[in-house]
Amino acid sequence: KQEVTQIPAALSVPEGENLVLNCSFTDSAIYNLQWFRQDPGKGLTSLLLIQSSQREQTSGRLNASLDKSSGRSTLYIAASQPGDSATYLCAVTITQGGSEKLVFGKGTKLTVNP
Amino acid sequence: DGGITQSPKYLFRKEGQNVTLSCEQNLNHDAMYWYRQDPGQGLRLIYYSQIVNDFQKGDIAEGYSVSREKKESFPLTVTSAQKNPTAFYLCASAGTGGAEQYFGPGTRLTVT
Repeated sequence: KQEVTQIPAALSVPEGENLVLNCSFTDSAIYNLQWFRQDPGKGLTSLLLIQSSQREQTSGRLNASLDKSSGRSTLYIAASQPGDSATYLCAVTITQGGSEKLVFGKGTKLTVNP
Repeated sequence: DGGITQSPKYLFRKEGQNVTLSCEQNLNHDAMYWYRQDPGQGLRLIYYSQIVNDFQKGDIAEGYSVSREKKESFPLTVTSAQKNPTAFYLCASAGTGGAEQYFGPGTRLTVT
């Protein structure tokens, strides 16, 4: 059974710092990996999608990498800002019985202090 | 505006009552999903549907039911058989072929 783990569960950094969030998964048979952001009481916003054949994706100050063989992904946030404070969720897409499903980690709660 | 809408944002019910949560999308996505989110537990899949008139149970389907009569709509009914219905419910949709999932704003259900 696929399991997704995110470490650390919470992270607090001063503004301007570069930081890395980690995600690991137990089964390398994934379709893709997606990073989401969730603000308190809100839905999820997709940040980056990495297909299983890709190694990384970039969007602005965000860079996500994928190492399928080792079952790891990282989300790098450059020059963090207080507005980056949120919970970041990692999810892998698996196929099961012809259907596609996401398996989520529990998230990393990020606080960026001014 | 394209997107996914969920209504209502907050819902209160008495124990023993069934309640239906709405999810509508105008993204022309084939696949739709319902998740439940509890503090410290992450998102858990309740039901999903890849095409109209077809749906599958997710990891925690007991006490829930769904229908998919239209491509745009995927309502979730929380029945009185669900032992701990109080939670934050999220709906999502996606195209096929490993496409990105898009989420609605969520409905917070409180049952007392």
